[in-house]
Amino acid sequence: ETGVTQSPTHLIKTRGQQVTLRCSSQSGHNTVSWYQQALGQGPQFIFQYYREEENGRGNFPPRFSGLQFPNYSSELNVNALELDDSALYLCASSFTSGRLNEQFFGPGTRLTVL
Amino acid sequence: AQSVTQPDIHITVSEGASLELRCNYSYGATPYLFWYVQSPGQGLQLLLKYFSGDTLVQGIKGFEAEFKRSQSSFNLRKPSVHWSDAAEYFCAVGTPLGNKLVFGAGTILRVKS
Repeated sequence: ETGVTQSPTHLIKTRGQQVTLRCSSQSGHNTVSWYQQALGQGPQFIFQYYREEENGRGNFPPRFSGLQFPNYSSELNVNALELDDSALYLCASSFTSGRLNEQFFGPGTRLTVL
Repeated sequence: AQSVTQPDIHITVSEGASLELRCNYSYGATPYLFWYVQSPGQGLQLLLKYFSGDTLVQGIKGFEAEFKRSQSSFNLRKPSVHWSDAAEYFCAVGTPLGNKLVFGAGTILRVKS
């Protein structure tokens, strides 16, 4: 069974640029959640995708957007990067069945904005 | 809104000593509670979870946690710590619809030999 994978591992961008992060969910899972973990903090929920539609969003501006594909993989897009966007971005997959289920996390993508 | 407080930013224990990491949550209904561990440069690994039933939950790597509704707490314990337990530990509460986890700020565990 393949776990959650994310790419790239590390990324360096400059302020104002755009970035796309990718996540492959675990086999059998239909839901992907994205979290931002700034240095020294706990992960913060960005949004979740279920059956290719956004299914809940945290307190993040619209320049954070996402997609989920028919194979349940997902992308996180961030436009107009700001210095504060520097963080570890975690993807988690789960199987939604009407109740809370365990989320399995990937290793994350470390984004540095200069 | 849900929130999680982990009062201890850092904890240092000697190898072989017992461990307790504190977690307090704020949530209006019966919470879904989790403990995750994160090693440097790694993602999060689930140690244990509480949904309902027995308030003492057993997890992986010899960890356990006890849900105390009256104290709004879900403290993580281990009777004997190993050097490999050094990592950052996060407590989280889940919403009933399952669409997000709210994490605490984490506790960094150092193990001294």
